[in-house]
Amino acid sequence: QQQVKQSPQSLIVQKGGISIINCAYENTAFDYFPWYQQFPGKGPALLIAIRPDVSEKKEGRFTISFNKSAKQFSLHIMDSQPGDSATYFCAASLGGYSTLTFGKGTMLLVSP
Amino acid sequence: DGGITQSPKYLFRKEGQNVTLSCEQNLNHDAMYWYRQDPGQGLRLIYYSQIVNDFQKGDIAEGYSVSREKKESFPLTVTSAQKNPTAFYLCASSKLDTQYFGPGTRLTVL
Repeated sequence: QQQVKQSPQSLIVQKGGISIINCAYENTAFDYFPWYQQFPGKGPALLIAIRPDVSEKKEGRFTISFNKSAKQFSLHIMDSQPGDSATYFCAASLGGYSTLTFGKGTMLLVSP
Repeated sequence: DGGITQSPKYLFRKEGQNVTLSCEQNLNHDAMYWYRQDPGQGLRLIYYSQIVNDFQKGDIAEGYSVSREKKESFPLTVTSAQKNPTAFYLCASSKLDTQYFGPGTRLTVL
């Protein structure tokens, strides 16, 4: 079964704090791991993505950490801002034109 | 502007009626996808197409149908056989593995 398990379901972080969302996968053939950000009533937007040949990727305040041996990857949002309040989805695929398997999402609320 | 458009944004349907959701992209992407989103369920794949005139069922295809007659267009029909069609429907397209999403259509069955 190709599953991606995401935690926590919801998260409240104070402004300026670090938000951490975790995902675990089972299929060791997964080759592509994106994160999406979704605001209410909007479509998900690609935030950042990583492939298993690197252990970390950083874009601005957003960092993906990848642990191949543990089959886990996580999103860190540094200096969290109220504008980051959204639902975040992790996903995984076999690469190429294969389909994405999504986690169930994490609703992040950054309090002012 | 390049992107993915979905129409309409909101759609209301009576029980027993078929309804078609539109998805168009001008990104020259080969593959297109339809997802259904329900609260707390994440995104579930309905159908996908990697090439014109070909498509495959996703995880929850029952009660839905699609066509792919043009590279730019991938309409989804929600049939009366879909038992619980009220949801937020998302279309996506990709060139290889990076998928980009449209703004979504919220379908409500009255």
